[in-house]
Amino acid sequence: EPEVTQTPSHQVTQMGQEVILRCVPISNHLYFYWYRQILGQKVEFLVSFYNNEISEKSEIFDDQFSVERPDGSNFTLKIRSTKLEDSAMYFCASTLSGANTGELFFGEGSRLTVL
Amino acid sequence: ELKVEQNPLFLSMQEGKNYTIYCNYSTTSDRLYWYRQDPGKSLESLFVLLSNGAVKQEGRLMASLDTKARLSTLHITAAVHDLSATYFCAVLPYGGATNKLIFGTGTLLAVQP
Repeated sequence: EPEVTQTPSHQVTQMGQEVILRCVPISNHLYFYWYRQILGQKVEFLVSFYNNEISEKSEIFDDQFSVERPDGSNFTLKIRSTKLEDSAMYFCASTLSGANTGELFFGEGSRLTVL
Repeated sequence: ELKVEQNPLFLSMQEGKNYTIYCNYSTTSDRLYWYRQDPGKSLESLFVLLSNGAVKQEGRLMASLDTKARLSTLHITAAVHDLSATYFCAVLPYGGATNKLIFGTGTLLAVQP
């Protein structure tokens, strides 16, 4: 069964360092998302991406965050200068179709720990 | 802003018992999802509810949706230990341009033998 894969599964970094989290969405999907979950809290939407551009982003997704689809398979989330409060599990998701249709398929997550 | 609230936040129940988790949301929604999350793991899709009165069942879990009351329920029948997990509802706001799901706070379910 097709699945969304994410790397790394866990990354530890120092505050102020840049981090790139990588995702390989399901191959025929067209819409891509990042969500995050701070430990013990609810899952929060960060950004959606379609046709090589951001279609929607939350207030969490400030200038320190960026997303990119550098090739036909990867979808990345970059945090330029990490802060302690960026420590969370980051989930990538993808769907075949966009608004109000299609089920989100989530990856296993990348746990980011900022020291 | 759409708010999604679940209750209870924590539920300890004995095997064989029945219970219901409630999900209330504050504005019109196009669809509602239920997810299961095991500790340190991803979100497993359980149900997608698309319309008022929708009811779906899978094994010991049954989900329903009342869009007029803005309420969804996840009913657990004859709980077993394997159902222990955190359960999230997530709502897609009506007319949203993308799949920007708004998640509830989650319900941690612990089924005791």
